[in-house]
Amino acid sequence: GDSVTQMEGPVTLSEEAFLTINCTYTATGYPSLFWYVQYPGEGLQLLLKATKADDKGSNKGFEATYRKETTSFHLEKGSVQVSDSAVYFCALSPDGWDGQNFVFGPGTRLSVLP
Amino acid sequence: DTGVSQNPRHKITKRGQNVTFRCDPISEHNRLYWYRQTLGQGPEFLTYFQNEAQLEKSRLLSDRFSAERPKGSFSTLEIQRTEQGDSAMYLCASLGGVPPYNEQFFGPGTRLTVL
Repeated sequence: GDSVTQMEGPVTLSEEAFLTINCTYTATGYPSLFWYVQYPGEGLQLLLKATKADDKGSNKGFEATYRKETTSFHLEKGSVQVSDSAVYFCALSPDGWDGQNFVFGPGTRLSVLP
Repeated sequence: DTGVSQNPRHKITKRGQNVTFRCDPISEHNRLYWYRQTLGQGPEFLTYFQNEAQLEKSRLLSDRFSAERPKGSFSTLEIQRTEQGDSAMYLCASLGGVPPYNEQFFGPGTRLTVL
């Protein structure tokens, strides 16, 4: 079945450091790919998405490119802030998704120190 | 519209008791999802509704779990005879419109602790 693998955390960075969180997936066809963020005590919020190969999703300084050849969707940010401290989830919706469930990765906790 | 809401936000119960959670989706969203999230893990799908019809249930949803959406608006998730392994965050999400679908909108979750 479809699955998502993320790098294990926690990831601890100093403010203004470069961030990469790796995500790879297993799925048939062309799934849509997502990054969600969960701040302490809150629900999940969509950070960015890409629906076809070579698409780049971007939001709030974060970027991720849908790489079909490597089945990856790595999250990057050039300069992190303390306010970016949260748990980040990579997720996919299957090819031809008609509203059934998403498949989530286990999450990567990011801590940014001032 | 204030988004997806869930009540209560926290619930502490003793093993063997029944608990019920409520989810109010975004108005006019016809699809509603329940997920369970344990510590250090991503959300795991439990079940989803299109309007009042329950279309899919995960094998994680044992016979102690029941979900309803009687009028196609809010939904309830009941756990009977709770066990310590039921301790988790229970997330609700909603989705509206027509295919191709985009993101699900998540509520803040209900954290259940079974003592």
